[in-house]
Amino acid sequence: DIVMTQSPLSLTVTPGEPASISCRSSQSLLHSNGYNYLHWYVQKAGQSPQLLISLGSIRASGVPDRFSGSGSGTDFTLKISRVEAEDVGVYYCMQAIQTPRYTFGQGTKLEIK
Amino acid sequence: EVELLESGGGLVQPGGSLRISCVASGFTFSSYVMSWVRQAPGKGLEWVSSITGRSGKIYQADSVEGRFIISRDNSKNTVYLQMNSLRAEDTAMYFCARDEGGIDHWGQGTLVTVSS
Repeated sequence: DIVMTQSPLSLTVTPGEPASISCRSSQSLLHSNGYNYLHWYVQKAGQSPQLLISLGSIRASGVPDRFSGSGSGTDFTLKISRVEAEDVGVYYCMQAIQTPRYTFGQGTKLEIK
Repeated sequence: EVELLESGGGLVQPGGSLRISCVASGFTFSSYVMSWVRQAPGKGLEWVSSITGRSGKIYQADSVEGRFIISRDNSKNTVYLQMNSLRAEDTAMYFCARDEGGIDHWGQGTLVTVSS
């Protein structure tokens, strides 16, 4: 199984400041079609996860442009350019190169200062 | 609008069985792989099982192999998870999920508690 490792596991950010979460995979997520099969999700308190970013960098419908994904191969980053109070939650990366045998990162808890 | 509505969770004794269901709407159900993902209380996400749209090919995590069985009824837009020989470590919220080369929609979940 592909192991996904996120850092940090906890993050406290002042509103308006940027935030960055790293995700590393134990195997390359770069498909021969040129896409990286890495997705990002956020799970807010009491809710199910929701898709933020697919294929490494494609924002899902309705996701604000302050969210961006980057990276390739085994190293990926989720960035929030200016954190807002509504961004509080737990962020997960997930590999989909071995679809449907998905594996997730441990989660990064984002709190507001 | 894609909707996934799970049901059937509850309290079950160790060694017992339970079947949970997920009714889908808002998309052509038979065209999609459907999956179950679980989350133990206070823990992260764990993929459990998936089933392809038309052929019904099944994939399962090692942790549930031989105990859980995923199935689907495309005429009812429903995916099921039959859980047998339940253990305390199976206690979790079980989410139904639509697969589009990665999960793009999640249900709200149904809670399964295994305890005596």
